[in-house]
Amino acid sequence: LAKTTQPISMDSYEGQEVNITCSHNNIATNDYITWYQQFPSQGPRFIIQGYKTKVTNEVASLFIPADRKSSTLSLPRVSLSDTAVYYCLVGDINTGRRALTFGSGTRLQVQP
Amino acid sequence: GAGVSQSPSNKVTEKGKDVELRCDPISGHTALYWYRQRLGQGLEFLIYFQGNSAPDKSGLPSDRFSAERTGESVSTLTIQRTQQEDSAVYLCASTREVTGWGLAGVSEQYFGPGTRLTVT
Repeated sequence: LAKTTQPISMDSYEGQEVNITCSHNNIATNDYITWYQQFPSQGPRFIIQGYKTKVTNEVASLFIPADRKSSTLSLPRVSLSDTAVYYCLVGDINTGRRALTFGSGTRLQVQP
Repeated sequence: GAGVSQSPSNKVTEKGKDVELRCDPISGHTALYWYRQRLGQGLEFLIYFQGNSAPDKSGLPSDRFSAERTGESVSTLTIQRTQQEDSAVYLCASTREVTGWGLAGVSEQYFGPGTRLTVT
């Protein structure tokens, strides 16, 4: 099964750039890597996804090296409202099992 | 349009009783996913449906858990003979479709608010 590792928590200040890295082994070779944001008592919300190299949208960037053994979510100029838990999501390796693995989550605390 | 809805929002049950959790996906979404999230922990993938079919049920924690989907819409997750370790928030998500092999990023998953299950 896929194994993922994320830092448990991170602290930042408003206006700073935050980078959260997820290490993932045994992920499906033909599947995307996706990141989600979760606020307390809510379901996760999609942030960004990619397959290789760099992807950017209006809220974040995602960096994925060629070996795809990790991915880094980059949040530019965070604000207090970015305080949340961030999860990477990967597909399990192609062994016949079709499943997904969420990372353990990184709790980001943004301070004024 | 309406998002993913789940019912009940909260369920308290006695150990040993059966419970049924319901998920109404976004209209037109053919893929549906169930997850479990224990207090303070990450999401644990349970099962997904492509249409009414669940290709892989190995993620279900035990044979007390079952899930079904009918009419490519509503899905129910049933837990029989509940145990205290079943206490968690059960989340449902849906996507437009699942194509090919990949599951993680085929399409953005839209999550419901979850059902908080407490087994006493």
